[in-house]
Amino acid sequence: QQQVKQSPQSLIVQKGGISIINCAYENTAFDYFPWYQQFPGKGPALLIAIRPDVSEKKEGRFTISFNKSAKQFSLHIMDSQPGDSATYFCAASNDYKLSFGAGTTVTVRA
Amino acid sequence: DTGVSQNPRHKITKRGQNVTFRCDPISEHNRLYWYRQTLGQGPEFLTYFQNEAQLEKSRLLSDRFSAERPKGSFSTLEIQRTEQGDSAMYLCASTRVAGTTDTQYFGPGTRLTVL
Repeated sequence: QQQVKQSPQSLIVQKGGISIINCAYENTAFDYFPWYQQFPGKGPALLIAIRPDVSEKKEGRFTISFNKSAKQFSLHIMDSQPGDSATYFCAASNDYKLSFGAGTTVTVRA
Repeated sequence: DTGVSQNPRHKITKRGQNVTFRCDPISEHNRLYWYRQTLGQGPEFLTYFQNEAQLEKSRLLSDRFSAERPKGSFSTLEIQRTEQGDSAMYLCASTRVAGTTDTQYFGPGTRLTVL
């Protein structure tokens, strides 16, 4: 039973474009929503995270939008760069363990 | 702070053999997690420790799996009588609990291949 559903499975964007990844959850007890970036052969690395009392959080070129009533959140990557090519995972947590989405492979074409 | 380290990075074994992986968390991190990641999927929670106490085990963790964190520092994950379905990346993460949910820092993982 996947607690966090992520889409799309993959996307291709031109350099300088915007990448958008969407996630949805069911468990209203979740209170922490991080996004992780993973490169091949590496462990996931925290990119940005949000709590449900905030509707948007921006860090550099990365923005999380959070819609508590719809139980959805998304990651926007602005001005996408070739170095952003990676797999991105949304996740949700209540207290300790993370439940991850299935991942989105982002390819940025130069 | 050298990050979470895991050894070995790769392990190839034959079906039926036992394997053991080690995780060294970031120093002073009191929580340590084990996750399993298969190709094309996100990591799945297996178990976690608060100091040396193992507080939860996922249903994914069959009786062939055992994890320890004897002194509240490094942890080991052992798989007995490996099966081909055990082939996956095993990830370790750690965090220092200081209130509400805290950031989990992941290691590079141990990739297990069972032939």
